[in-house]
Amino acid sequence: GAVVSQHPSWVICKSGTSVKIECRSLDFQATTMFWYRQFPKQSLMLMATSNEGSKATYEQGVEKDKFLINHASLTLSTLTVTSAHPEDSSFYICSATDDPRGDTQYFGPGTRLTVL
Amino acid sequence: AQSVSQHNHHVILSEAASLELGCNYSYGGTVNLFWYVQYPGQHLQLLLKYFSGDPLVKGIKGFEAEFIKSKFSFNLRKPSVQWSDTAEYFCAVKGETSGSRLTFGEGTQLTVNP
Repeated sequence: GAVVSQHPSWVICKSGTSVKIECRSLDFQATTMFWYRQFPKQSLMLMATSNEGSKATYEQGVEKDKFLINHASLTLSTLTVTSAHPEDSSFYICSATDDPRGDTQYFGPGTRLTVL
Repeated sequence: AQSVSQHNHHVILSEAASLELGCNYSYGGTVNLFWYVQYPGQHLQLLLKYFSGDPLVKGIKGFEAEFIKSKFSFNLRKPSVQWSDTAEYFCAVKGETSGSRLTFGEGTQLTVNP
């Protein structure tokens, strides 16, 4: 089946620094990638949708200047958390699809971000 | 706006017991419905999905779900659970005007004791 990887799987950083998380589709070309955030014991919340070669579409309440998303190729999307603060600590999950309707999404294993 | 509610946050069963996890959604139009499973330390995997047609949908690993439009529900069932079914289960909905955006429920942690 389709495989999506994320790197790193966990990261610890100091407050004020920026962190980049990569999401890759390993065996298919992902026309659309999604970034989710999951707080402990809570649901996945969609942060943004990105299509290859175009600007990401952010959900209401998500700061686009803080969470920079780049989808430069059909197999790679990156999420950069700029000037991270402790409240940004969370589990970030990406998914990818090659289905124009997005009916079938393949999820990555997630990245645990801890900001000290 | 669409929303999803899962009633049970933690369910504990013994092996061979029957399972039913509740899922209710809120959306005024046509929806696509999904159940995902996340085994410990693994990524989310699709269990089953409903788009149209027969409201009783069969998925992998013996799971099934029934779409009841009048109740806005899509409950997940399995007649006899196994220890290996221990995982977190998420219901999700995609409205017809939502593009490709999925909205997830809060999740239900299922623990199956041997």
